[in-house]
Amino acid sequence: NAGVTQTPKFRILKIGQSMTLQCTQDMNHNYMYWYRQDPGMGLKLIYYSVGAGITDKGEVPNGYNVSRSTTEDFPLRLELAAPSQTSVYFCASKENTEAFFGQGTRLTVV
Amino acid sequence: GQQLNQSPQSMFIQEGEDVSMNCTSSSIFNTWLWYKQEPGEGPVLLIALYKAGELTSNGRLTAQFGITRKDSFLNISASIPSDVGIYFCAGLNQGGSEKLVFGKGTKLTVNP
Repeated sequence: NAGVTQTPKFRILKIGQSMTLQCTQDMNHNYMYWYRQDPGMGLKLIYYSVGAGITDKGEVPNGYNVSRSTTEDFPLRLELAAPSQTSVYFCASKENTEAFFGQGTRLTVV
Repeated sequence: GQQLNQSPQSMFIQEGEDVSMNCTSSSIFNTWLWYKQEPGEGPVLLIALYKAGELTSNGRLTAQFGITRKDSFLNISASIPSDVGIYFCAGLNQGGSEKLVFGKGTKLTVNP
């Protein structure tokens, strides 16, 4: 039982490049979330999903897109990377109360 | 949008001391959660609170769900070096929006 798996763990992007951060969970959870964590700061909600085919904006959605075609997968897409998107990205899934987090993806945009 | 104000931002304490931190919200939640994050890891759930006024313990940790449903408190008694980390409060409207919102965290340092 792998829980929540995020790939890649690290990535360096150039300004204007695009990439997809992958998130997969094997717990059959309905709810999934994407957060970003800037140095010394808390977790800001980017997007979340309450089930396959349904997504909603969080606190800081600009510059990102998501899709939820299956229960297991919740990829986060950056279309035009900007230095302000340098951060650590966490994906989480939950059923009921407890949210389980992945190990994070550290993204640097140069 | 919903905002959680968590304080203090950081704490430096001696081993054996007790710690208190709190979280306030501009809106009501029906569930309050406290998480701990260690370096290089994602947050891990410590305590969940489901009812206004509820007081729940998990070992040396005790958390309370405020009566107004807009605040919560976490206490750690007799701190030990492995308590070091960042503690986050989180608010959730379970059965409602299911939007899980986090505070900015309290960074705890414990000196042996």
